[in-house]
Amino acid sequence: SQQGEEDPQALSIQEGENATMNCSYKTSINNLQWYRQNSGRGLVHLILIRSNEREKHSGRLRVTLDTSKKSSSLLITASRAADTASYFCATRMEYGNKLVFGAGTILRVKS
Amino acid sequence: DAGVTQSPTHLIKTRGQHVTLRCSPISGHKSVSWYQQVLGQGPQFIFQYYEKEERGRGNFPDRFSARQFPNYSSELNVNALLLGDSALYLCASSAGTFAKQYFGPGTRLTVT
Repeated sequence: SQQGEEDPQALSIQEGENATMNCSYKTSINNLQWYRQNSGRGLVHLILIRSNEREKHSGRLRVTLDTSKKSSSLLITASRAADTASYFCATRMEYGNKLVFGAGTILRVKS
Repeated sequence: DAGVTQSPTHLIKTRGQHVTLRCSPISGHKSVSWYQQVLGQGPQFIFQYYEKEERGRGNFPDRFSARQFPNYSSELNVNALLLGDSALYLCASSAGTFAKQYFGPGTRLTVT
């Protein structure tokens, strides 16, 4: 079974708009990570946020984490056509060494 | 530096056959993890190996096995293939058991 649930399942926006994806999880975590996947190929690591952090930025990416609600959000600002991909959140449990992925959000950015 | 490499890229097998997938980690990385990604879903953890020892196993049947070699490369073996084993198999390497994982491009397995 998958720990994380992404919302929405699919998102279509115009170039230049912001895209927000949400992730919810079920158990206590050590950290939460966001990955991008293009055309069903390998995963690219985007950003990691630890359980004691609330917000993190990397370029056009902003991630928030609310451990009380067991949820995270990924904001991509000023989206580009090249951002078109599937985005996954993955949690690492407090104890354990595996990543547990959600089902992903498919983002389409129209030019 | 080269990233994680996987071979083959694509593979077509028949039900009941056996398959071996290979992964070479980033130089200096001692941990390799395997994930299965069925179309339309997120990756699911299969195994993690560190220094040639199994450090974690996901909820997969005994038909799935893996090993890690002295050079830290790894093989994933699947016996008695089922149609449901059709998926993208991803390998990830990391410097340590809990370190950031770097993913390879995957092997797409089709079982007919």
